[in-house]
Amino acid sequence: GENVEQHPSTLSVQEGDSAVIKCTYSDSASNYFPWYKQELGKGPQLIIDIRSNVGEKKDQRIAVTLNKTAKHFSLHITETQPEDSAVYFCAAKGSGGYQKVTFGTGTKLQVIP
Amino acid sequence: EADIYQTPRYLVIGTGKKITLECSQTMGHDKMYWYQQDPGMELHLIHYSYGVNSTEKGDLSSESTVSRIRTEHFPLTLESARPSHTSQYLCASSEFTGTTGDGYTFGSGTRLTVV
Repeated sequence: GENVEQHPSTLSVQEGDSAVIKCTYSDSASNYFPWYKQELGKGPQLIIDIRSNVGEKKDQRIAVTLNKTAKHFSLHITETQPEDSAVYFCAAKGSGGYQKVTFGTGTKLQVIP
Repeated sequence: EADIYQTPRYLVIGTGKKITLECSQTMGHDKMYWYQQDPGMELHLIHYSYGVNSTEKGDLSSESTVSRIRTEHFPLTLESARPSHTSQYLCASSEFTGTTGDGYTFGSGTRLTVV
């Protein structure tokens, strides 16, 4: 089955700096890579996703890059703000309705004002 | 605005009690999931469903059971709660074929404490 590794497990950055979270996956058949943000007391929320036919995707201050050859993908947050403090999960999924998402182990991001 | 609802948000219950955690979604999603989240953050899949009358066990062994009689409803039941069941339980749903996206929508979770 799919295995997703996520690093680092914790990350502290100064407000305004950039944050990068990296994930690797094992199954070359995976073709969908979402990222989720979980704020305290809430469930994870999808913030951005990328499919294997795209190398990079941006949405305002967040971007995701995908390297299919190396089987790794990353989340980049620029100009971090205190409200970016949360737990972030990467995930990977193969094509087809019967495929399930495999989540990474999570990264706790702290943005220091 | 949440489209997937979990009740209760918090529950403290004594050992040996039977409990049902409720999960309902209004998006018409075929696929629904239950995750157990430990204090270390990791999400562990304990049950999932592809549609009505479909239930499957997840990657993490669980003493709980689920049912899927209606598309919108996916309750989780513990017949006899134990302190080891203390955890955060998250429900999620997604489209089957992902024509507009394969993303999951999560509920806010139920924090269960068994004393």
